[in-house]
Amino acid sequence: TQLLEQSPQFLSIQEGENLTVYCNSSSVFSSLQWYRQEPGEGPVLLVTVVTGGEVKKLKRLTFQFGDARKDSSLHITAAQPGDTGLYLCAGAKGNTPLVFGKGTRLSVIA
Amino acid sequence: DTGVSQDPRHKITKRGQNVTFRCDPISEHNRLYWYRQTLGQGPEFLTYFQNEAQLEKSRLLSDRFSAERPKGSFSTLEIQRTEQGDSAMYLCASSLGTVNVAFFGQGTRLTVV
Repeated sequence: TQLLEQSPQFLSIQEGENLTVYCNSSSVFSSLQWYRQEPGEGPVLLVTVVTGGEVKKLKRLTFQFGDARKDSSLHITAAQPGDTGLYLCAGAKGNTPLVFGKGTRLSVIA
Repeated sequence: DTGVSQDPRHKITKRGQNVTFRCDPISEHNRLYWYRQTLGQGPEFLTYFQNEAQLEKSRLLSDRFSAERPKGSFSTLEIQRTEQGDSAMYLCASSLGTVNVAFFGQGTRLTVV
């Protein structure tokens, strides 16, 4: 049973389009992280959200943590080819190790 | 570079051989994690240390796998009698205290032939 479900699994869009990817769970998390991973590399931390309803912006990326702290979304505005990669969400419950979703593989075509 | 460092980056080994990977965490981080990632999957937790104590091991960590962090600094992950199913990216991450935000190394890609 996957604790964190990410959708869509794959996404291919044209440069300049907007997109949203989702991370859902039936469990409550104390915090949730989003990472981006490129082929052959380790995940790179983008953001951490800890408060229900929290919204964080990182340039063209907007992250939201659900009110109940069970889900999160990542919205990218005006996607660029450099946004291509695997987007992973990871949840933490207290001090326990992070659990990851399977990721959304994004391809932005110029 | 003060990030998490893993060595080697790539390892090709024959089935049945033993392999050992090393991870150097961010220097002030007291927690160190090992994850495994296969194609099309997110990272799966294997084990973690707080200082030199190994606090948790996943069921994924068979008795062929052993991890150490002898002085609470670097860590090693050894796989004995490798099998083709061990082929994966092995990721190391570290974090500081109770702040459960992990920073990852670039990973070691293991291929068992």
